Amino acid sequence: DAGVTQSPTHLIKTRGQQVTLRCSPKSGHDTVSWYQQALGQGPQFIFQYYEEEERQRGNFPDRFSGHQFPNYSSELNVNALLLGDSALYLCASSSPGGLGETQYFGPGTRLLVL
Amino acid sequence: AQSVTQLGSHVSVSEGALVLLRCNYSSSVPPYLFWYVQYPNQGLQLLLKYTTGATLVKGINGFEAEFKKSETSFHLTKPSAHMSDAAEYFCAVSAYSGNTPLVFGKGTRLSVIA
Repeated sequence: DAGVTQSPTHLIKTRGQQVTLRCSPKSGHDTVSWYQQALGQGPQFIFQYYEEEERQRGNFPDRFSGHQFPNYSSELNVNALLLGDSALYLCASSSPGGLGETQYFGPGTRLLVL
Repeated sequence: AQSVTQLGSHVSVSEGALVLLRCNYSSSVPPYLFWYVQYPNQGLQLLLKYTTGATLVKGINGFEAEFKKSETSFHLTKPSAHMSDAAEYFCAVSAYSGNTPLVFGKGTRLSVIA
């Protein structure tokens, strides 16, 4: 049973460019959350997708947008990249289930903005 | 609003010694609490979680944590450290269920000395 997968593993962009990161959830999961982990920090919640809609959003600017496809996979798009966007981007999947559901994390995409 | 404070950004123990990583949380609603581990250049792996019920929670790799509501704490312990335990550890809290956004602490780096 494949866990959460993310692509690409590493990415280098320059300021002002746009980037798209991809995530495939764990089998049986239909909810995808994205987190940004800056160097030396804990992950910060960006947004969560369920039934192809953004359900919750953290304190991130509109330059960060996402999408969820009918097969539950998801994309994170970042426009007008800033140096401060350099980070590890983590995708987590879960099922809506009941209480105590666990979010399972992928290996992340490391983005470097020059 | 919720928050997590992890006391000590770096903890160093000898192999075979007790591991104690401290976590205090703030939550306006009954919390769901998690400990995740992150090995270098990898994503997050769930160690254990507290939702409801028994306040002493056992996880993988011999780790356990105790939820103490009166102290708003959820400290992680392991009786005997192993070299393979060297990693970054994150405490996280969520509201209502584990499927809601996780709020992470800044992490504690555990070093194990031979």
